[in-house]
Amino acid sequence: DAGITQSPRHKVTETGTPVTLRCHQTENHRYMYWYRQDPGHGLRLIHYSYGVKDTDKGEVSDGYSVSRSKTEDFLLTLESATSSQTSVYFCAISEGGTGADTQYFGPGTRLTVL
Amino acid sequence: GQNIDQPTEMTATEGAIVQINCTYQTSGFNGLFWYQQHAGEAPTFLSYNVLDGLEEKGRFSSFLSRSKGYSYLLLKELQMKDSASYLCAVMDSNYQLIWGAGTKLIIKP
Repeated sequence: DAGITQSPRHKVTETGTPVTLRCHQTENHRYMYWYRQDPGHGLRLIHYSYGVKDTDKGEVSDGYSVSRSKTEDFLLTLESATSSQTSVYFCAISEGGTGADTQYFGPGTRLTVL
Repeated sequence: GQNIDQPTEMTATEGAIVQINCTYQTSGFNGLFWYQQHAGEAPTFLSYNVLDGLEEKGRFSSFLSRSKGYSYLLLKELQMKDSASYLCAVMDSNYQLIWGAGTKLIIKP
C-alpha cells in the first residue's frame, strides 16, 4: 500500500464549472502524476510533479492545471469542465526519487461532466 | 510516434495457461511494466523487465525481447480472480510511461 488517497471518489458536475481533484500521499514521494483513463485508450499522462512547486505537462495537458504546494498533496484543476473531460482520473507516485521507478496508483476519481 | 499494441480481449479456462502479448515502438526504452486492473479499481503493479529474458513471480511470468520490441505476460494455473485487464507500459527516454489500451482477460469455469 503506497498510502495514496484521492478525493472526491466520484463527482458529477456541469459543463463550464471549475473542478479540483486532490491526491494525497503519506510517504514523501518526490514524483507524483495525474493520468486519465478512457475506454479504448491507455492511461494518458496529464501532468506530473517532481517536487514542491515543480510540475510539467504530459501528453494531454490542455484544459488542466496542477499545483503542488506541499510534498503530500498534488491538485488537478479543470478550470472550465467540458464533456470531453468525463473520465476516470488516477493519481500515481513513483517509489524512487528519480522518476524512473515503479509507479503506484491511488483508487481513482470518476468524474462526469454533464 | 509511440505505440503499444496488445490484444483487446482474450478468453481462457480456469486452471489453464494464457499468454498476453505486447509489442511496442517507443522513443527510447527504460523498462517494460505489466499491471493488473480489476474492473472499477486502480492498476496494480505485477512485473518489470529491463533486460532480455524471463522474470518469474509465482504463477505470473513476464518475458522481454528488446531487439524485437516484444513482451509477454504468462499466467499459469488460472483462477477466476485473474479475470481482469492487463496493462502493458513502456518507460520511454524521458522516463514517462507509455501505456497500451489493455487486454481484458475473461476466465471461464
